[in-house]
Amino acid sequence: DAGVIQSPRHEVTEMGQEVTLRCKPISGHNSLFWYRQTMMRGLELLIYFNNNVPIDDSGMPEDRFSAKMPNASFSTLKIQPSEPRDSAVYFCASRPNRAPYSNQPQHFGDGTRLSIL
Amino acid sequence: DQQVKQNSPSLSVQEGRISILNCDYTNSMFDYFLWYKKYPAEGPTFLISISSIKDKNEDGRFTVFLNKSAKHLSLHIVPSQPGDSAVYFCAASIGAAGNKLTFGGGTRVLVKP
Repeated sequence: DAGVIQSPRHEVTEMGQEVTLRCKPISGHNSLFWYRQTMMRGLELLIYFNNNVPIDDSGMPEDRFSAKMPNASFSTLKIQPSEPRDSAVYFCASRPNRAPYSNQPQHFGDGTRLSIL
Repeated sequence: DQQVKQNSPSLSVQEGRISILNCDYTNSMFDYFLWYKKYPAEGPTFLISISSIKDKNEDGRFTVFLNKSAKHLSLHIVPSQPGDSAVYFCAASIGAAGNKLTFGGGTRVLVKP
C-alpha cells in the first residue's frame, strides 16, 4: 500500500520567495494533517482537514501560511513570503476518521525539509 | 507551555536488555496516548497506543504503561534490538477520535550490539 506521499523532499529557496509543499494522503483516509518539526518547538500541528474541510488552523503561525485541500487526494501548504525562521521539516499525515478510532492512528509521510536562505 | 514532556533526551542500552522510555503530561483532559518511532529522514511511525480506561497495553516486544494519577506513561521495549535505535515520541489527545495530537520532544534511543 502506498503511504502518505510528500513532495518535494527537500526545498532550498531564498527569503521572500513563495514555497508550496504538497501532500497526497493514503487513499480512503478522510482526515489530513500538516505538522512542522523544529529544534525549538518540536513536532507541532499546524492545521487539519476532515473531508477536505479545514477544521482547526489554530497552529498556523501567521497569515503568511495557508493550506488547501481541493480534493480528497491532494493538499498544499503554502508560505508566502518565506522567511529564514520558516526553515523546518514539514510533515503531512492522514488517518481514516471513523470508528474504531483506537485502531486508526495518524500515518505520516517522510516530510519536506525546507531551508530558507 | 509543554503539555507533554519527555525528560530524557537520550537513552543508551545494550542489545537484549530492556529499554524504558518515560513521558509526563499536564493536561488532565488527555485520555488517549500514542508512541511513535522515527528514523532519520523518515516520518514518525505508529508503535502502540493506550486509552485511559486501561493501565497497560502490550504488542509483541512493546508494552505501554499508564499511571493516570501521576499523569505518567512509559514504553518498555524487551528485548531491545539494534533496529530499535531511533527517536521515540509520545503523543496525547483528547479521545481516540481526537485529531489534535500533542507530541513530546522525543527520546533518542541507541541500542548497542
